[in-house]
Amino acid sequence: SALTQPPSASGSPGQSVTISCTGTNSDVGGYNFVSWYQQHPGQAPKLIIYEVVKRPSGVPDRFSGSKSGKTASLTVSGLQAEDEADYYCSSYAGANNYLFGTGTKVTVL
Amino acid sequence: VQLVESGGGLVKPGGSLRLSCVSSGFSFTDYYMGWVRQAPGKGLEWVSYISSTAGTISYADSVKGRFTISRDNANNALYLQMNNLRAEDTAVYYCVAHDKPNPPHYWGQGTLVTVSS
Repeated sequence: SALTQPPSASGSPGQSVTISCTGTNSDVGGYNFVSWYQQHPGQAPKLIIYEVVKRPSGVPDRFSGSKSGKTASLTVSGLQAEDEADYYCSSYAGANNYLFGTGTKVTVL
Repeated sequence: VQLVESGGGLVKPGGSLRLSCVSSGFSFTDYYMGWVRQAPGKGLEWVSYISSTAGTISYADSVKGRFTISRDNANNALYLQMNNLRAEDTAVYYCVAHDKPNPPHYWGQGTLVTVSS
């Protein structure tokens, strides 16, 4: 089943927002292979965090990831208007399987 | 990096469709490849995954026995044969590349599959 994320999160420009992604010891808690994606309406998802804390080239350092036990988190600092999007986490779940999170809609107030 | 899907369209329940994906801009044989889908207004769902040499193949339970993934390393191509399609298979299908064992790293723009009578 899917990893659990809050349906929505919001913040004013310049503020920070943190999104959680909760799984089990068989996925998030068992592997450091957690990724985060940003998806704007009508577009494909874009990788913003991989291996829990790493950022692909070109992704601003305003985006950061962490993990504690069975919960991974994505923090967006210094919120900007263009950060308004849907965010999904994903984790390796063993036996060549992957899970995605339920998705979180971030609104910039 | 480019992943370009094709083959989507409208198909009746019980019908078949074959999706294709052609890749460029990265070393295709260094990556495991896969498919992820997104039903209209819904979240992402991992569908299938194939290793570099096709020695390892995996499917989500929701498509097991109906979908078949394959790849052609000579032409940097990935395929998804979808049989016995159901209404719940209606979705945008994304071609993805995995830097295994990480979740997908690169994504295509997607192709829409609609299953309806």
